[in-house]
Amino acid sequence: QVQLVESGGGVVQPGRSLRLSCAASGFTFTDSNFGMHWVRQAPGKGLEWVAVVSYDGNIKYYADSVKGRFTISRDQSKYTLDLQMSGLRAEDTAVYYCARYKDATGLDYWGRGTLVSVSS
Amino acid sequence: EIVLTQSPGTLSLSPGERATLSCRASQSVSSRHLVWYQQKPGQAPRLLIYGASSRATGIPDRFSGSGSGTDFTLTISGLEPEDFVVYYCQQFDSSPYTFGQGTKLEIK
Repeated sequence: QVQLVESGGGVVQPGRSLRLSCAASGFTFTDSNFGMHWVRQAPGKGLEWVAVVSYDGNIKYYADSVKGRFTISRDQSKYTLDLQMSGLRAEDTAVYYCARYKDATGLDYWGRGTLVSVSS
Repeated sequence: EIVLTQSPGTLSLSPGERATLSCRASQSVSSRHLVWYQQKPGQAPRLLIYGASSRATGIPDRFSGSGSGTDFTLTISGLEPEDFVVYYCQQFDSSPYTFGQGTKLEIK
């Protein structure tokens, strides 16, 4: 069965960096049907789309709120999705979910999320 | 950026009733690229509807989606107790792939 497991969250001071990872299993990660996304949710708030990487890693898009600070990447051999976050701000505090995008469908599988707390 | 506005913010209904949730886009969105999710407390969202009107795998047929252009609707017929949670729409027409702010369905 498809599984996505995020890791790397924690408490970090403003301005510092953090790297999140998402381990994928149960499907062919390199299949052309599957882009990978990061979505976040601040405490008590709604969902915010963060970033996407295409199935082959060549195309990446970001939300304006993270552009220039966050970098999404994927390792095809390890079946992992990463989010390198730098210049962290208090408003980046959220649960970060990785999710699989199936072509012409939507985000059909989600991880359980990892909490990032930016605080001094 | 396409802004999705969901209404109402909160909807109070009783079990067995019909819920109608709206998602309005600031510009036209292809129906192929409009999806709905359900999120229960403490859980990740779950895909309900894709392509505006197709139910995802395992979704009961009391959930249905419709709409086109800028106006989309999620309808839940015969509300069950487990349906009283939060619903989001999202568009994949153009980046950034924005979400609506959510509609909370609460028991009246």
